[in-house]
This record gives sequence, C-alpha cells and structure tokens, in this order.
Amino acid sequence: DIQMTQSPSSLSASVGDRVTITCRASQGIGNDLGWYQQKPGKAPKRLIYAASSLQSGVPSRFSGSGSGTEFTLTISSLQPEDFATYYCLQHNTYSWTFGQGTKVEIK
Amino acid sequence: EVQLVESGGGLVKPGGSLRLSCVASGFSFNYAWMSWVRQAPGKGLEWIGRVKSKSDGGTTDYGTPVKGRFTISRDDSKNTLYLQMNSLETEDTALYYCTSFVLSNHYWGQGTLVTISS
Repeated sequence: DIQMTQSPSSLSASVGDRVTITCRASQGIGNDLGWYQQKPGKAPKRLIYAASSLQSGVPSRFSGSGSGTEFTLTISSLQPEDFATYYCLQHNTYSWTFGQGTKVEIK
Repeated sequence: EVQLVESGGGLVKPGGSLRLSCVASGFSFNYAWMSWVRQAPGKGLEWIGRVKSKSDGGTTDYGTPVKGRFTISRDDSKNTLYLQMNSLETEDTALYYCTSFVLSNHYWGQGTLVTISS
C-alpha cells in the first residue's frame, strides 16, 4: 500500500500569512492527489484535484503543486474561514490513502 | 443536486454486526464508483473500500484494517450503496461517510455514527 506522509501535523498562523502543507508519497502517484479541507462537524470538502487544479468555487488563494512523490498545498493569504484541518488524498492505486492531516490554528 | 444520505449507524457490542446504507440521488448512480471512508472521534480520515460500477466489473477493494470483516455492495435499482460490517471491534467506532467522484467533484454524505462498546 502507498503511504502518505503529511507535514506539519499542526501549525499556528495569523490572518494574512502564507501557509504551506506538504504530502510525500511512498512511491510515485503521478498527479492522482487531492487536497481537502475539513471543519468541525462537517464532511471534507475538496479544494484541489489532480495535484494542481482548483476545484470550482474554491478561492484562488488556494493552490496545489507537485507530482510523483512530493506535493504541496499553499494558502497565499490565510483568511479567518481557513482555520480548519487539511488532508491530502492519493487515489492512484486500487486503494486510497489519506495523509494524517494538518490542523491550521489561529496564532 | 448530488446527494448522498447514509443511515444505519448505532451502538453495537464488540463482535456484533451492522449494515450501513447510503442512498444516492442527483447523478447516474449505476455508472459511479462508490467508496466508504471513516473517521474515528478526533482522528483523521481512513479509506475503507470501494465498489466499481457494474459496467466496470463491479469489483471491490478494501483497506487492510477491514479486509475480511467488511463487505461493500450496491443495488443500482435502488441507487443504494451498502457496507456490511461483521466482527466489529472497538477500533471500528467512527463516523462513516459514503463518497463518490461525480463529474468534476468529490461528493460526501453527512456520515452515520457507529459506536462499538460493551
């Protein structure tokens, strides 16, 4: 099975900060990776698909990059509504794997 | 509008069984590959497994923690996905989500809570 290592597990940031979250795959997955945002009590919401494509309706401050084994989610200017937990998900193989999650908290 | 509505969760003793359902609407269910994902309280997301559409073979794949205990099936005539869970363990306590990639999005239900406790 492919393992996804997501870092950091948590971070504190201020409104307006640039935030970067990374996922590393244990083997190459092409660009079969998505990024999700989850707020308490809610289902996850996809922000990025195919590693770098912005989901319709998602603000342009969110961006994704990478391919193969290294992937990054960037929030260019953190907004109050962005405080949440973020997950990567690989779906390259017959099984999916989520990263462990990154909780973005207010500094 | 795409909707996924799970049901069937509840409190079960260790070793027991439970069947979850997910009723889908707003898309061509019979062509969709459907998955189950769970989230233990305060923990991350964990993929349980998937069933392909019948036109793609209808086969299933499972995550390691549930292989041999959980079975995913579908009834396309009822637009319904099922998760049969046997030999339940306390570690199976979680919110269980039904999900699917539809067109250009990834849709999730609201989840149904399963609690395994004596």
